[in-house]
Amino acid sequence: DTAVSQTPKYLVTQMGNDKSIKCEQNLGHDTMYWYKQDSKKFLKIMFSYNNKELIINETVPNRFSPKSPDKAHLNLHINSLELGDSAVYFCASSQSADSPLHFGNGTRLTVT
Amino acid sequence: GESVGLHLPTLSVQEGDNSIINCAYSNSASDYFIWYKQESGKGPQFIIDIRSNMDKRQGQRVTVLLNKTVKHLSLQIAATQPGDSAVYFCAENQAGTALIFGKGTTLSVSS
Repeated sequence: DTAVSQTPKYLVTQMGNDKSIKCEQNLGHDTMYWYKQDSKKFLKIMFSYNNKELIINETVPNRFSPKSPDKAHLNLHINSLELGDSAVYFCASSQSADSPLHFGNGTRLTVT
Repeated sequence: GESVGLHLPTLSVQEGDNSIINCAYSNSASDYFIWYKQESGKGPQFIIDIRSNMDKRQGQRVTVLLNKTVKHLSLQIAATQPGDSAVYFCAENQAGTALIFGKGTTLSVSS
């Protein structure tokens, strides 16, 4: 019974394509996040949603659009993929802003 | 074994040694701190947390120390085991914002 699950695990696509990554949490948490991990393992916050509402939107290109249909899901849609988008994307959830984040196992996106 | 200074990207220790991983955080207003462990192909996993009203917290084989004066956080792992080999991240949180992660330290444990 995976707490935070994201699909797909691997995503290989060409430049210019549009792709989506899905995330679901069964922990009953109110807050969900997307983080990007680059090739040097640096983890950077992209978005944060609380109860389906956008709370944090870091300086992410507007080609990235998160969507939260309900508080258990936070999907990430990326338009016009670029080579620099290649990274591992992690979804996470937490009960509140100052409680531990629970992470999914990541989606490795490779743009060729 | 110990990673000293602001940040060392790697730390190699022998099985059974105690490991100390250090982290300098950036925001003096941060009030919540977490250590995460990330194994290859997996997401970061919570190890231990500490709030700014404490300077030490202990878990099973792990201890986190917080020095707010110099904005320094450390993770001590007792009797390090091969299964402890992973990348370790510290993270800080200021009320109302998301967790900000530091650069990771790769811990390698040889038997």
